[in-house]
Amino acid sequence: GENVEQHPSTLSVQEGDSAVIKCTYSDSASNYFPWYKQELGKRPQLIIDIRSNVGEKKDQRIAVTLNKTAKHFSLHITETQPEDSAVYFCAAKGSARQLTFGSGTQLTVLP
Amino acid sequence: KAGVTQTPRYLIKTRGQQVTLSCSPISGHRSVSWYQQTPGQGLQFLFEYFSETQRNKGNFPGRFSGRQFSNSRSEMNVSTLELGDSALYLCASSLEGTGTYEQYFGPGTRLTVT
Repeated sequence: GENVEQHPSTLSVQEGDSAVIKCTYSDSASNYFPWYKQELGKRPQLIIDIRSNVGEKKDQRIAVTLNKTAKHFSLHITETQPEDSAVYFCAAKGSARQLTFGSGTQLTVLP
Repeated sequence: KAGVTQTPRYLIKTRGQQVTLSCSPISGHRSVSWYQQTPGQGLQFLFEYFSETQRNKGNFPGRFSGRQFSNSRSEMNVSTLELGDSALYLCASSLEGTGTYEQYFGPGTRLTVT
């Protein structure tokens, strides 16, 4: 089945700096790649997603890139703010038609 | 539009008991997926229901089961509870039309097995 690996597991950045989280997937048939943000004690929230027919997507300070050949995708957050501190999960939807999640990245934005 | 809701929010059960959790999807969403979230294992897929049929199942023992009703509400049941079943159980709903894959999560049910 699908395997999604996510790195790093923890990431600390200074406020205003950029943060990058990377994920790799194993199923070459995967066609949908969402990113979720989960604040402590809250539900995961969909923040951005990308389909396999698109290489990059941007929404204000957040962008996602996809490299289908290398089977990896990344989340980029620019001009980080303290409220960006949370756990971020990547996921991939493969031939099994279910979302497989990465193990999560704890992002801490230091003031 | 109201979001995904789950009841109860917190539950404490004893080993060997069974438990039923409920999920009400966003109005119009026909797919409901269930996940188990633990600190060590992350978010793991349990099963997905679509139009009252189980469409997909993860790698969990048969003690974990579910169903979906005609109004798309879903329940999951865990029988013969074990200590390791302590987790946050999340459901997510999706419109599941052509090309629509976005899943929206409920707040979760925190299950503690003692």
